Amino acid sequence: AQSVTQLGSHVSVSEGALVLLRCNYSSSVPPYLFWYVQYPNQGLQLLLKYTSAATLVKGINGFEAEFKKSETSFHLTKPSAHMSDAAEYFCAVSNTGKLIFGQGTTLQVKP
Amino acid sequence: EAQVTQNPRYLITVTGKKLTVTCSQNMNHEYMSWYRQDPGLGLRQIYYSMNVEATDKGDVPEGYKVSRKEKRNFPLILESPSPNQTSLYFCASSLARARSSTDTQYFGPGTRLTVL
Repeated sequence: AQSVTQLGSHVSVSEGALVLLRCNYSSSVPPYLFWYVQYPNQGLQLLLKYTSAATLVKGINGFEAEFKKSETSFHLTKPSAHMSDAAEYFCAVSNTGKLIFGQGTTLQVKP
Repeated sequence: EAQVTQNPRYLITVTGKKLTVTCSQNMNHEYMSWYRQDPGLGLRQIYYSMNVEATDKGDVPEGYKVSRKEKRNFPLILESPSPNQTSLYFCASSLARARSSTDTQYFGPGTRLTVL
């Protein structure tokens, strides 16, 4: 069975600081991994996805994630946080079209 | 504009009163799905549909029904809502023509349901 664990339900950073949101997965087959962002009162929007083409994946809004098979991780990073990055972030693994989500991480950006 | 729409966006109801949440997509997607979002649990799949007249249970189907009579619509039906179905509900769709695991799912804006 596939699963995803997001370490840290809340992460707080200062504006301009590095953003690091952690995601570890469990999968018996090569995984397809996604990061989605949910802004307040909105639906989920795709940030980026890993489909085995390249281990470093670049997404929208300056985010990127690196697939590390040896660590079963797919952490999301952004070099410099903006106030507009404050949102909830979800890591997910795909199983024949079904998305299995982690618990979510709320990112707070302090001025 | 390509989108997934849900109605209503907010709903307060009472235990046992049947309700339907509509979902519609204009992208000609074959795969559609319903999720519920609860604090600390992320999103969990309720039901999904690979195509018209093809629906199947997700991880938390108890107390819900769905139908897929047309490609664009995928309503979620609560025949007898209970307070434990108070949640934020999302509809999603994707191409998924061949049970692809890499297709992006597009989400609706959500429906916040409160069952008293």
